[in-house]
Amino acid sequence: GAVVSQHPSWVICKSGTSVKIECRSLDFQATTMFWYRQFPKQSLMLMATSNEGSKATYEQGVEKDKFLINHASLTLSTLTVTSAHPEDSSFYICSARRRESSYNSPLHFGNGTRLTVT
Amino acid sequence: AQKITQTQPGMFVQEKEAVTLDCTYDTSDQSYGLFWYKQPSSGEMIFLIYQGSYDEQNATEGRYSLNFQKARKSANLVISASQLGDSAMYFCAMSHTIYTSGTYKYIFGTGTRLKVLA
Repeated sequence: GAVVSQHPSWVICKSGTSVKIECRSLDFQATTMFWYRQFPKQSLMLMATSNEGSKATYEQGVEKDKFLINHASLTLSTLTVTSAHPEDSSFYICSARRRESSYNSPLHFGNGTRLTVT
Repeated sequence: AQKITQTQPGMFVQEKEAVTLDCTYDTSDQSYGLFWYKQPSSGEMIFLIYQGSYDEQNATEGRYSLNFQKARKSANLVISASQLGDSAMYFCAMSHTIYTSGTYKYIFGTGTRLKVLA
């Protein structure tokens, strides 16, 4: 169990357009989902924490108006990159925690989305 | 402040030999979890093994074992009998409790790129 599905796997879009990335927990309820960004050969940078039914908590330096996060249900969170620019090109990966988990529970990750903005 | 340090940017190991990937951490939490993830070139994050801060025995999971030394704040990953398919990026991570909200964050190290040689 603990499968997280992320869609799309890759997307190419034109500068100025918006892109939506979906993250679904397929076989468990996830009260919390995390969105990370990863630059080539670097570590995962936490962008925001998404809690079901409430506003996302953004990390310092992350523009909340640019990276819109919605956690509509216990199994779905979406990240929308608005008015994308080439510098937004990156690998975005979501992860989820089980509803009943605690401090020693691992994160379960989606397969990531490679975004290229032309 | 919570921090994860991986001091080995890259490692080589001969096939069938064992290898140790280093991870040290810093936290003021009493309850925390330590996790190792594998990231192949395809990008997905694969959960390997975890250790809870109160666990006295080192965790093992198949060919993976976690050498947990709490006093030294280290949580090294040992891979025995390395295989070519073990070549990947490996990340050490730690959970951190946000006491004001009762939620958790996960902090990742910078990773170690392991190359298994035939």
